[in-house]
Amino acid sequence: DGGITQSPKYLFRKEGQNVTLSCEQNLNHDAMYWYRQDPGQGLRLIYYSQIVNDFQKGDIAEGYSVSREKKESFPLTVTSAQKNPTAFYLCASSTDRDSRNSPLHFGNGTRLTVT
Amino acid sequence: AQKITQTQPGMFVQEKEAVTLDCTYDTSDPSYGLFWYKQPSSGEMIFLIYQGSYDQQNATEGRYSLNFQKARKSANLVISASQLGDSAMYFCAMRLYYGNNRLAFGKGNQVVVIP
Repeated sequence: DGGITQSPKYLFRKEGQNVTLSCEQNLNHDAMYWYRQDPGQGLRLIYYSQIVNDFQKGDIAEGYSVSREKKESFPLTVTSAQKNPTAFYLCASSTDRDSRNSPLHFGNGTRLTVT
Repeated sequence: AQKITQTQPGMFVQEKEAVTLDCTYDTSDPSYGLFWYKQPSSGEMIFLIYQGSYDQQNATEGRYSLNFQKARKSANLVISASQLGDSAMYFCAMRLYYGNNRLAFGKGNQVVVIP
């Protein structure tokens, strides 16, 4: 079955450590996204990529980095520069060919806790 | 930039009754799409329904329908015949047709279906 896989589901890190969240999709989608969700809040866009080897900052990119070396993969690194990294992280993808009405498909998310 | 507003407090609805979730948006662009997503307690985001700004009819998808009032910039979701499995957070989102394919989310509405 096609879909988006995020791993791990739960992640614990010590403050000051960088951590990388995995996102893999086998939907052959061009565009991929990373969102952050805090309790009681909506989703905020961190980074997005519409094509391999290209990505753009979203609304809250500070303290995060990404790469898009392969179409299927869009890993997110939470660096020590991110002041409040504890959150729920959601990866999504969409086809860019008919982007007007194509919904985002989401992974199941990674819950990151930094202490 | 587009802005999505969902301000209803948490809602309790009796099983088998209908519930309406409010969503208003703000954009000066005439071309856009509106999406509703469901997020159960497990965390995944599930796409429910889409409405284009130029669509003449309100979108429907099974028990979900969208009450789209373009002049008022509102896109309320109606869930008919509520089921216990409808208990979740519901998010309204908007994408500009000629923007950068980004999807902006509201803060969500909490729905609890009671037997």
